[in-house]
Amino acid sequence: KQEVTQIPAALSVPEGENLVLNCSFTDSAIYNLQWFRQDPGKGLTSLLLIQSSQREQTSGRLNASLDKSSGRSTLYIAASQPGDSATYLCAVRRNSGGYQKVTFGTGTKLQVIP
Amino acid sequence: EAGVVQSPRYKIIEKKQPVAFWCNPISGHNTLYWYRQNLGQGPELLIRYENEEAVDDSQLPKDRFSAERLKGVDSTLKIQPAELGDSAVYLCASSLSWGVYGYTFGSGTRLTVV
Repeated sequence: KQEVTQIPAALSVPEGENLVLNCSFTDSAIYNLQWFRQDPGKGLTSLLLIQSSQREQTSGRLNASLDKSSGRSTLYIAASQPGDSATYLCAVRRNSGGYQKVTFGTGTKLQVIP
Repeated sequence: EAGVVQSPRYKIIEKKQPVAFWCNPISGHNTLYWYRQNLGQGPELLIRYENEEAVDDSQLPKDRFSAERLKGVDSTLKIQPAELGDSAVYLCASSLSWGVYGYTFGSGTRLTVV
């Protein structure tokens, strides 16, 4: 069974800091990994999708890396802004018993203080 | 392009009452998912459709939950009868096809059973 862990569960940083969010998974035989942000009371917004053959993806101030062998992904946010405050979730897609399963982490709640 | 549209946004019902949620995926997205998200947790898959076929409903509590996707477009998720433990956010997502592509989520329906 795939387990996805996100540490820390909550993070508070001053505006302008660079920060790293972590996502760990136990089964390295994955197809892809996707990072989302979720604002309070809202659905999930896709940030970055990394295929298993890729090492990283970048979008603006965001950079996500993937190391399958160690079962880790990181989301790097540069020059954080108050608008980045949200919960960040990672989702790992893998093959399981003929099905492809997606397992979400429980998220890291980020607060960027002005 | 319109995103994934869900309705209603909020629903409060008494236990033992029925409730239904509706989802309209992004045009052309063959794959549709229903997820349930409890407070402070990541989303958990209830059912996945490929066009109009439910190809993974292993996590759907079939004694009280049902879903349909007529004509492979819109989908409804029904709970009958609702229980207190069903209080959660119900998220619909869609993707171009299973596997390679990432998800797009709707805003969700927050259900409160009293």
